[in-house]
Amino acid sequence: RKEVEQDPGPFNVPEGATVAFNCTYSNSASQSFFWYRQDCRKEPKLLMSVYSSGNEDGRFTAQLNRASQYISLLIRDSKLSDSATYLCVVNGPYSGAGSYQLTFGKGTKLSVIP
Amino acid sequence: NAGVTQTPKFQVLKTGQSMTLQCAQDMNHNSMYWYRQDPGMGLRLIYYSASEGTTDKGEVPNGYNVSRLNKREFSLRLESAAPSQTSVYFCASSEGVMVDNEQFFGPGTRLTVL
Repeated sequence: RKEVEQDPGPFNVPEGATVAFNCTYSNSASQSFFWYRQDCRKEPKLLMSVYSSGNEDGRFTAQLNRASQYISLLIRDSKLSDSATYLCVVNGPYSGAGSYQLTFGKGTKLSVIP
Repeated sequence: NAGVTQTPKFQVLKTGQSMTLQCAQDMNHNSMYWYRQDPGMGLRLIYYSASEGTTDKGEVPNGYNVSRLNKREFSLRLESAAPSQTSVYFCASSEGVMVDNEQFFGPGTRLTVL
């Protein structure tokens, strides 16, 4: 069962390009959604949370479509420093005792080329 | 603040050997987690501790044990290592297990079991 699915890439884009990643999730009860960034041989770090109304942080825009159960991340004006793997993260499954686990997608690799 | 620290950074074991991975956080977080990351598999939750004094199984707990030593420290023990446990292990912490709490990750331990 694939709970969070992402296109693994790699996406190779030139500097300045706009690139979009999509992610689908299977648990319709999920309530929270995130994009994490992971640099090569480093730990994941939170890039941004994803809200129902969509949200923007500088060059990054995240969108959520609950009806279709997909999440997107748009990166405008790509920089060399954006090269990384982007992890789609969704809360669920419910594990009891009022707690929720996070489910991580396998990640989409982005390489921004000079 | 160091955030989340893990020791050791690298380890090579022979099949059947035991070892303990150490994790500590200085952010006064209540919840702590152990994940493993394998190529093509994404991050998978091994065990977590919602609060001091509690531990629960995640998605892949077999072959592991954990101890929440105090609020700061959460260790992962491999009693009899197997080649299938070759992986990168990440510890993480968050304020709590609420659905929108950000998880902060340590730098990881790269374990090879021969």
